[in-house]
Amino acid sequence: NAGVTQTPKFRVLKTGQSMTLLCAQDMNHEYMYWYRQDPGMGLRLIHYSVGEGTTAKGEVPDGYNVSRLKKQNFLLGLESAAPSQTSVYFCASSSPTAQNEKLFFGSGTQLSVL
Amino acid sequence: GNSVTQMEGPVTLSEEAFLTINCTYTATGYPSLFWYVQYPGEGLQLLLKATKADDKGSNKGFEATYRKETTSFHLEKGSVQVSDSAVYFCALSEKDGANNLFFGTGTRLTVIP
Repeated sequence: NAGVTQTPKFRVLKTGQSMTLLCAQDMNHEYMYWYRQDPGMGLRLIHYSVGEGTTAKGEVPDGYNVSRLKKQNFLLGLESAAPSQTSVYFCASSSPTAQNEKLFFGSGTQLSVL
Repeated sequence: GNSVTQMEGPVTLSEEAFLTINCTYTATGYPSLFWYVQYPGEGLQLLLKATKADDKGSNKGFEATYRKETTSFHLEKGSVQVSDSAVYFCALSEKDGANNLFFGTGTRLTVIP
């Protein structure tokens, strides 16, 4: 059972570099999310999507872009990485029928921006 | 607005000790409440939930009761095991649809043999 798969698991970037984080889910979920986790701050929502071709901003969207070209994939892009984006990034998915009560999370991507 | 406040960690307990992790919330309506757990190197998993006042969520020996009068949802376990070592997140959800889940800051629990 794959569930939610994130790639890569670790990445080190230099300031100004760009990268894309990939999230894939095999549960046919409509909703997908990108969170960042920082010490003492819990999880904060970056962007989310309620279906293929749609995206919306969360609590901390600045500096990130997302795309949902296929239902099973949700990409998070950093166009010009900054040290403030050093964090652990989690992707999650859920089904509307669960009324967002149960999110399924990937195992995370540890990103360091130097 | 919506927010969740958890007790600060880390918490270190001996095996078989009693566990309480405090969680209080602020919400404008009648939220559903959750505890998620994050084991080392993994993503978060739903541990238990309660959807209305006085409901008790339970799973794997953990329990939490939705207390509307004190706006609390404290997590308890009578006898912790080493395998319970993880980070625990309290969360609330106030309405249907996406973008409605608010997490606390997490409490790290370490259980020593």
